[in-house]
Amino acid sequence: NAGVTQTPKFQVLKTGQSMTLQCAQDMNHEYMSWYRQDPGMGLRLIHYSVGAGITDQGEVPNGYNVSRSTTEDFPLRLLSAAPSQTSVYFCASSYEYRSAGEQYFGPGTRLTVT
Amino acid sequence: SQKIEQNSEALNIQEGKTATLTCNYTNYSPAYLQWYRQDPGRGPVFLLLIRENEKEKRKERLKVTFDTTLKQSLFHITASQPADSATYLCALDGGSQGNLIFGKGTKLSVKP
Repeated sequence: NAGVTQTPKFQVLKTGQSMTLQCAQDMNHEYMSWYRQDPGMGLRLIHYSVGAGITDQGEVPNGYNVSRSTTEDFPLRLLSAAPSQTSVYFCASSYEYRSAGEQYFGPGTRLTVT
Repeated sequence: SQKIEQNSEALNIQEGKTATLTCNYTNYSPAYLQWYRQDPGRGPVFLLLIRENEKEKRKERLKVTFDTTLKQSLFHITASQPADSATYLCALDGGSQGNLIFGKGTKLSVKP
């Protein structure tokens, strides 16, 4: 199993550009989520999904969109990039929502918005 | 809303000693608490989970305790090694939202 994969690893965007961060898992996990990690702030939840076709907002959803058309994929879209979205983005998955199961994290995407 | 504090941003210890990291929470007692390890440039990796009805959990050189009276979890690494140097994250059950809430982490450095 590849686990959780994320692409790209690094990205530089100009303010106002849009892009999609890709996330895929091959473990047949129901629950997938996106976090951002900033120095001194810890991991903050952006959006999450409890299954295909179901998504919901986390702590910091503004400026981001998600969709979940398949169990495997959970892309994160930046609609109009802003310097405040400069961060490291992690996708995670776990077997079941609310199950206390461990979360499997991807390797991260380091995004810089200039 | 629930808040988590990992008391030390950084902890430096000598090889062979026991490292003790602290995680405190402020509101309701979570149903469970998890600990993760994160190396630079990588995603967090799950280490241990402890549930509210468990006082202690062990895995090899790792030990986690959970004190619901003190609203605190302690994470111990015994016989620490330089390879244990990393950032350790505490995460707990977010209650009705059902998501994990993460602490900011403690950066552990083990010197030879």
